[in-house]
Amino acid sequence: DIQMTQSPSSLSASVGDGVTITCRASQSISSYLNWYQQKPGKAPKLLIYAASSLQSGVPSRFSGSGSGTDFTLTISSLQPEDFATYYCQQSYTTASGYTFGQGTKLEIK
Amino acid sequence: EVQLVESGGGLVQPGGSLRLSCAASGFTFNTHEMNWVRQAPGKGLEWVSYITSSGSTRYYADSVKGRFTMSRDNAKNSLYLQMNSLRAEDTALYYCARVWLGFSDFWGQGTLVIVSS
Repeated sequence: DIQMTQSPSSLSASVGDGVTITCRASQSISSYLNWYQQKPGKAPKLLIYAASSLQSGVPSRFSGSGSGTDFTLTISSLQPEDFATYYCQQSYTTASGYTFGQGTKLEIK
Repeated sequence: EVQLVESGGGLVQPGGSLRLSCAASGFTFNTHEMNWVRQAPGKGLEWVSYITSSGSTRYYADSVKGRFTMSRDNAKNSLYLQMNSLRAEDTALYYCARVWLGFSDFWGQGTLVIVSS
């Protein structure tokens, strides 16, 4: 099975800061990597798919990069509504499951 | 507007069974694969199961394999998760999610399952 590891597990930042979250796969997953945002009491929301494609309606301050085993989610200038938990997910092989990373909680400093 | 509405959650004793439903609307249901994803209280997201658009192929997480069965009725635009031999560790909010090219672009609001005596 493919394991996904995110770092850091938590992160404190201020409005206006830029932040980067990393996701590493236990084997190559090409560009089959998606990012989701989840706020308390809400369902997850798709931000980025196929490693770097921005989902419709998502602000351009969000960007994704990477391929193979190493991926990043970057938020260029944090807004108050961006403080949430972020998850990566691989979709390389359906048979072994669409594994999620453990999540990164982004908090206000 | 795409809508996914889960139902069927509740309190069940260990070893018991529960059937979750997900009613889909606002899109052509029979052309989309679907996932069930769960989230234990205060924990992260865990993929549970996947089904192809026709229902012919299903995959499950190791944690639920042999106990959970995912199915769909395309005539009723509905998705199901039959959960048997429930354990305390199955306690979670269960989401159904639409799948497109491997990613889940729409999610329901979830239905809560509590396994406790």
